Amino acid sequence: DAKTTQPPSMDCAEGRAANLPCNHSTISGNEYVYWYRQIHSQGPQYIIHGLKNNETNEMASLIITEDRKSSTLILPHATLRDTAVYYCIVNSGGSNYKLTFGKGTLLTVNP
Amino acid sequence: DTAVSQTPKYLVTQMGNDKSIKCEQNLGHDTMYWYKQDSKKFLKIMFSYNNKELIINETVPNRFSPKSPDKAHLNLHINSLELGDSAVYFCASSPPGTGYSPLHFGNGTRLTVT
Repeated sequence: DAKTTQPPSMDCAEGRAANLPCNHSTISGNEYVYWYRQIHSQGPQYIIHGLKNNETNEMASLIITEDRKSSTLILPHATLRDTAVYYCIVNSGGSNYKLTFGKGTLLTVNP
Repeated sequence: DTAVSQTPKYLVTQMGNDKSIKCEQNLGHDTMYWYKQDSKKFLKIMFSYNNKELIINETVPNRFSPKSPDKAHLNLHINSLELGDSAVYFCASSPPGTGYSPLHFGNGTRLTVT
């Protein structure tokens, strides 16, 4: 699976949009981009995933560049409860489907 | 109505003991996983089972033995516990499909070996 690079930490003001970047320059054509987050002392939580088109759900939006070498997770109106470590993962799925978590980005939402 | 539940939440034990962690999912998923999160917060897959069959074993010591009595349960038994086994263990499940389905995680079992 392709490797991802994320900033170790970011801050965001409550109520503002949080934009979390991820680089995955070695992504291959059949690999999806997944985003998970882990709030302190809880299990990871799935947020969103996509292949090449931008995606939106009730939690967030995922913007994938046309060359697919990077993506941005957008939390449109961050709240204090969005403070967590956010993981960007690239995965090709298949019979040996497994997700490899990196270090992620610690997003701190400030009041 | 917890989707993926693990017991116990905390487990403190001494070196050399044998312990088990239980996991159950009520989502009707076919695939279940065990992940380990160490003190540096890295999450690493240990095992995955699909319909009670082992499909991933990530070079985990033989002291770790997963058991899946049915597709809703995946238990983790650890023999001869060592200090380095101290970590948070997460169970997860995913629905049937192409392998792109999101994982649903439990809230973890914090194992402390003294």
